[in-house]
Amino acid sequence: DQQVKQNSPSLSVQEGRISILNCDYTNSMFDYFLWYKKYPAEGPTFLISISSIKDKNEDGRFTVFLNKSAKHLSLHIVPSQPGDSAVYFCAANNPEGAQKLVFGQGTRLTINP
Amino acid sequence: ETGVTQSPTHLIKTRGQQVTLRCSSQSGHNTVSWYQQALGQGPQFIFQYYREEENGRGNFPPRFSGLQFPNYSSELNVNALELDDSALYLCASSPLMGRNEQFFGPGTRLTVL
Repeated sequence: DQQVKQNSPSLSVQEGRISILNCDYTNSMFDYFLWYKKYPAEGPTFLISISSIKDKNEDGRFTVFLNKSAKHLSLHIVPSQPGDSAVYFCAANNPEGAQKLVFGQGTRLTINP
Repeated sequence: ETGVTQSPTHLIKTRGQQVTLRCSSQSGHNTVSWYQQALGQGPQFIFQYYREEENGRGNFPPRFSGLQFPNYSSELNVNALELDDSALYLCASSPLMGRNEQFFGPGTRLTVL
C-alpha cells in the first residue's frame, strides 16, 4: 500500500521557468511533510518541510504548498536552475511511534538550458 | 561539522551470506534510522535507534537487525541474504526524538549475487 505517491516519474522544465512537483498521500494521520533532493551517488538532501497546521512554507526559491482536504502537496521551484536537476522525493512523517519517514517514489527533474 | 558517513560504499555478497553496514551519525545527533532504497523506488524505513534501543521498525523480517553504540554510531546487519536485498542502504540521523528533518549519509550499495 503506497501511502505517499508521486505520480510523475519525470519532469522537464526550461531554465528560468517554474518547476512544480506534486505529491499525494492517503494517510490523514500524517502531520509533517518534507521534500528531499537526491543527486546520483549521494544521499537525499533535505530541502524544505511543512507542518500540517500550515498551508504554505517558503525558503528562497523553494515553496511547499499543502492542501489537507485534498491530501496533496506540491513543491514549487522558481526560477529553475540547471543545478536543480535531480530526483525529488516527497516524504511524510508518521506521528505514531518512531520518527518514521514514508517516501514517495520520486520525480526526476531535468532543467533544460 | 561532520555529516553522516557510511561504510563501505559498495559491497558484493552472495545469497545466504551475512553483511554488516556501518554508519556514523552527524555530530550532536542521537537518533539514527536506516532505510532501504530499491532501484526506482523511494527509501523504505527499516528501523530506528534512540539511546541504543530500537525505537520502531518497518515491515522488514527479523534477519534485518541493528545496533546503536554509546557514541550514537550504528550498524545494520542482514543475515541469510536474498537476491531482493540488493539495494542502496541509507542511514539518517536527527538531533532529537521529534518531527525534525533527518540528515542522510551517501548510502551503501549492496549487490547480492
